[in-house]
Amino acid sequence: RKEVEQDPGPFNVPEGATVAFNCTYSNSASQSFFWYRQDCRKEPKLLMSVYSSGNEDGRFTAQLNRASQYISLLIRDSKLSDSATYLCVVGDMEYGNKLVFGAGTILRVKS
Amino acid sequence: EAQVTQNPRYLITVTGKKLTVTCSQNMNHEYMSWYRQDPGLGLRQIYYSMNVEVTDKGDVPEGYKVSRKEKRNFPLILESPSPNQTSLYFCASSSTSNHQDGYQETQYFGPGTRLLVL
Repeated sequence: RKEVEQDPGPFNVPEGATVAFNCTYSNSASQSFFWYRQDCRKEPKLLMSVYSSGNEDGRFTAQLNRASQYISLLIRDSKLSDSATYLCVVGDMEYGNKLVFGAGTILRVKS
Repeated sequence: EAQVTQNPRYLITVTGKKLTVTCSQNMNHEYMSWYRQDPGLGLRQIYYSMNVEVTDKGDVPEGYKVSRKEKRNFPLILESPSPNQTSLYFCASSSTSNHQDGYQETQYFGPGTRLLVL
């Protein structure tokens, strides 16, 4: 079983749609959680951290459910520029900031 | 400008010919790491370093070496490259701060090095 699992997609959605990505992780001792965005095999960039209380940044909302070991990302009002691969990332501070990356979910927003 | 740089960006080589990929960061980060990315597998950590002269194996260290003689530099060395090391490689450095709900960590990635081993 992979440590971090994501639906690879692709998710094909029209502009303006709301789309949700899910991610599960296997290590219950994980302490930090993130979503990264990666464009066309360029370097990943931090989209947002995910906190137990949930957090929102504009059109993006992230949720964490520690009991179910589940992380989600909701994108509202999708833009063409949101097309990318979204990486779910889980961190374990016990091993010195070790981050474990999911394989990514592909999003394609079409006009 | 805060950044992580890698060189070369693209490299084609042959089996057994030693190569080094350089990585440098200008953010004074203590933590640096190397990843490789392969289709369907996501990023996998090769080696990491928590500070100068402190390095440790990640998940896929076989066939790779690293060194950390200075804080800003973290080169990746392939002593005898093989075709299964053909991949996209990323160097990263990170900073960590506390948030009321957990750690706020930002990992900055270099632009990537595409390596083809024939």
